[in-house]
Amino acid sequence: NAGVTQTPKFRVLKTGQSMTLLCAQDMNHEYMYWYRQDPGMGLRLIHYSVGEGTTAKGEVPDGYNVSRLKKQNFLLGLESAAPSQTSVYFCASSTGRLSTDTQYFGPGTRLTVL
Amino acid sequence: SQKIEQNSEALNIQEGKTATLTCNYTNYSPAYLQWYRQDPGRGPVFLLLIRENEKEKRKERLKVTFDTTLKQSLFHITASQPADSATYLCAPTGGGNKLTFGTGTQLKVEL
Repeated sequence: NAGVTQTPKFRVLKTGQSMTLLCAQDMNHEYMYWYRQDPGMGLRLIHYSVGEGTTAKGEVPDGYNVSRLKKQNFLLGLESAAPSQTSVYFCASSTGRLSTDTQYFGPGTRLTVL
Repeated sequence: SQKIEQNSEALNIQEGKTATLTCNYTNYSPAYLQWYRQDPGRGPVFLLLIRENEKEKRKERLKVTFDTTLKQSLFHITASQPADSATYLCAPTGGGNKLTFGTGTQLKVEL
């Protein structure tokens, strides 16, 4: 099993450009999450999904959109990138069956917005 | 608002010693607490989970304590090795599947 994979690994954007980050998991997990990680700020939840076709806002959702058309995929979109969105983005998944669920993380995408 | 505090300064210890990392939280009462390890350039990896009714949890050289009165968790690595060098994140959680993470403490184990 590949676990959680993220594409791309690195990306440089200019202000105003758009892009989509792809997260895929092969563990048949119901729940998927997008986080961003910035120095001194820790991991912050952007959006999450509790099942195919559902999405919900996390702590820092502004400027991002998500879609979960297939259970195994969770897409994070930036419609008009801003320098403040320069960060490392992590996707994670969990079974969703227990309140004590642990999360499985992908390797991350390092995004720079110029 | 909820606040999670982990020592932002790196912890440097000698190989073979016990490393102790602290996670303090305020303004909420988590039902359980998770610890993750993160290596540079990689995503976090789950290590241990402890529930509010458990005082201590062990896994090989790892030990976690959870003091709901002090609102604190301690994470111990005994007989530390250079391979234990990483950043360790705590995530006290009130329930449900959303986790809130601390900023992490970087551990460096020196020969």
